[in-house]
Amino acid sequence: IQLTQSPSFLSASVGDRVTITCRASQGVTTFLTWYQQKPGKAPRLLIYAISTLQSGVPSRFSGSGSGTEFTLTISSLQPEDSATYYCQQLDLYPLTFGGGTKVDIK
Amino acid sequence: EVQLVESGGGLVQPGESLRLSCAASGLIFSVHHIDWLRQAPGKGLEWVGRSRNKAARYTTEYAASVTGRFSISRDDSQNSVYLQMNSLRSDDTAVYFCVRYLASGANDYWGQGTLVTVSS
Repeated sequence: IQLTQSPSFLSASVGDRVTITCRASQGVTTFLTWYQQKPGKAPRLLIYAISTLQSGVPSRFSGSGSGTEFTLTISSLQPEDSATYYCQQLDLYPLTFGGGTKVDIK
Repeated sequence: EVQLVESGGGLVQPGESLRLSCAASGLIFSVHHIDWLRQAPGKGLEWVGRSRNKAARYTTEYAASVTGRFSISRDDSQNSVYLQMNSLRSDDTAVYFCVRYLASGANDYWGQGTLVTVSS
């Protein structure tokens, strides 16, 4: 399953609502996950099973979608949200990632 | 606290072999599947393979790009998983992460990664 993220880069202001899209080449039934990665660090799990917020992740992050289109939304962008975000499908082998979306704070 | 610590990375020449280790603590290691993932410099994430738990008979899965060259094994008595990499190529150059996989469908705990550089 190929995952295509858009946009690949976005720049937004603190407080903005930000949406990242992940489109799959075929349907993903359940296991669609979002990660945040900062430079030099391992990725951090944000959302799993499409919309379940990982423990400890701020509630401004949310996930939604079904079938072949999924979104990660940051309801009010904060300075510490500057990072690259990846979607991943774990429905079918080989497990695959989207190409990433770099989020920059204006 | 769950911790995963990779080791064994380094500089090797094309065609050579390398074995990475991942030592886990703070979890009941034997019940978990463990994934290996990698990230080439400045690039995105790539899944490498999976070591399933004893209940799943320690079976493994691999990405097409490493099938036949890489193999994953584990030693539950040592809380460790290993990635044996043979016939290394320049495009295997990456930071390699070991990651716990949860049945809920997520990789929740990641190691800090170990850098493998394949270059002559």
